[in-house]
Amino acid sequence: GAVVSQHPSRVICKSGTSVKIECRSLDFQATTMFWYRQFPKKSLMLMATSNEGSKATYEQGVEKDKFLINHASLTLSTLTVTSAHPEDSSFYICSARGSAWGTDTQYFGPGTRLTVL
Amino acid sequence: QKEVEQDPGPLSVPEGAIVSLNCTYSNSAFQYFMWYRQYSRKGPELLMYTYSSGNKEDGRFTAQVDKSSKYISLFIRDSQPSDSATYLCAMRSFQKLVFGTGTRLLVSP
Repeated sequence: GAVVSQHPSRVICKSGTSVKIECRSLDFQATTMFWYRQFPKKSLMLMATSNEGSKATYEQGVEKDKFLINHASLTLSTLTVTSAHPEDSSFYICSARGSAWGTDTQYFGPGTRLTVL
Repeated sequence: QKEVEQDPGPLSVPEGAIVSLNCTYSNSAFQYFMWYRQYSRKGPELLMYTYSSGNKEDGRFTAQVDKSSKYISLFIRDSQPSDSATYLCAMRSFQKLVFGTGTRLLVSP
């Protein structure tokens, strides 16, 4: 299947700092990328959807100024958590969708665990 | 009513058992149906993808879709301890993927 990488896999930062998470589709071009947040033992919560070269569409209740998304190319999207606070601690997962392996479906990255002290 | 309903489990079975995981949905616009497997602290891994009613088989896994009943299933034959994970159903109409809550499966040796 198609491969989506995420970096870093784990990050610990101090409250008030900003953290950038990268998401790359390694063997296909992702027309659309998605960012999810997952709390322990809960399902994935969609935060935003982005298409290459255009502004991201944020889900209701997600602060666009706090969670900055850039989809600079067909293989790279970044999520920047600005002025992070302990309540932002979570598991962030990106997903990429594009025509790969004959299917138009979403493939997920391995996730990034963010801990804000 | 949620768009997608899935029993969170946990579902505990002995090794070798046949496992049946199910989801129901309410939105008849859903056209694409997927099953993902997620191990603890990892991203979801796509297991099965289908867009029509009927069965699709891949190794020990069979995905079943019944659009008339708005019901999808994933069967796992000869279950193994390594199958212990959370299984998420997901479905899509046009843009957004909608997930079930996930069913936690525990396969004991």
